[in-house]
Amino acid sequence: GAVVSQHPSRVICKSGTSVKIECRSLDFQATTMFWYRQFPKQSLMLMATSNEGSKATYEQGVEKDKFLINHASLTLSTLTVTSAHPEDSSFYICSARVRGGASYGYTFGSGTRLTVV
Amino acid sequence: GDSVTQMEGPVTLSEEACLTINCTYTATGYPSLFWYVQYPGEGLQLLLKATKADDKGSNKGFEATYRKETTSFHLEKGSVQVSDSAVYFCALSGDNQGGKLIFGQGTELSVKP
Repeated sequence: GAVVSQHPSRVICKSGTSVKIECRSLDFQATTMFWYRQFPKQSLMLMATSNEGSKATYEQGVEKDKFLINHASLTLSTLTVTSAHPEDSSFYICSARVRGGASYGYTFGSGTRLTVV
Repeated sequence: GDSVTQMEGPVTLSEEACLTINCTYTATGYPSLFWYVQYPGEGLQLLLKATKADDKGSNKGFEATYRKETTSFHLEKGSVQVSDSAVYFCALSGDNQGGKLIFGQGTELSVKP
């Protein structure tokens, strides 16, 4: 089945540094990827929709200059948390929509646990 | 706008008990409905889905039926196992969302031996 590989799974960084998270679609082309953020014991909050070859669409309240999204190819989307602060510590998950005939689904990466110290 | 509401957790059950996690939705048109499961420290895995009214999704002993008349998609399992302990998310995707998934708040299930 369709697989999205997300790296790194865990990262600890110092305040003020930037962190890049990668999501790769391994056996299909993902024209659209979704980036979510999840706080402990809470649901997934959609941050942005990433479209190959064009600018990402950010949800209301998400700082586009802080969370940089790049989708330069049909198999790779990246999220860069710039100038990270402790409040950016969270679980970040990417997802790609998979099309297949009359039905479709979504496949998720395994998530990245970001801790900013 | 479109939304999904799940019953609040945590839900604690003994092994082999019956499970029902309620999920209702608000949407225009005819959304597709999903249940995802998240094990600790991991991403989401699709558990089952239904794309039209009266469809029943099933997987690993779990079932959910798309009920348009009650706008519901309740998750059920007749006999839970300790390995079913996880957080379960109900979600929908419709024509209005441009492919986005709208998630419920999640329900944590804990199954005790």
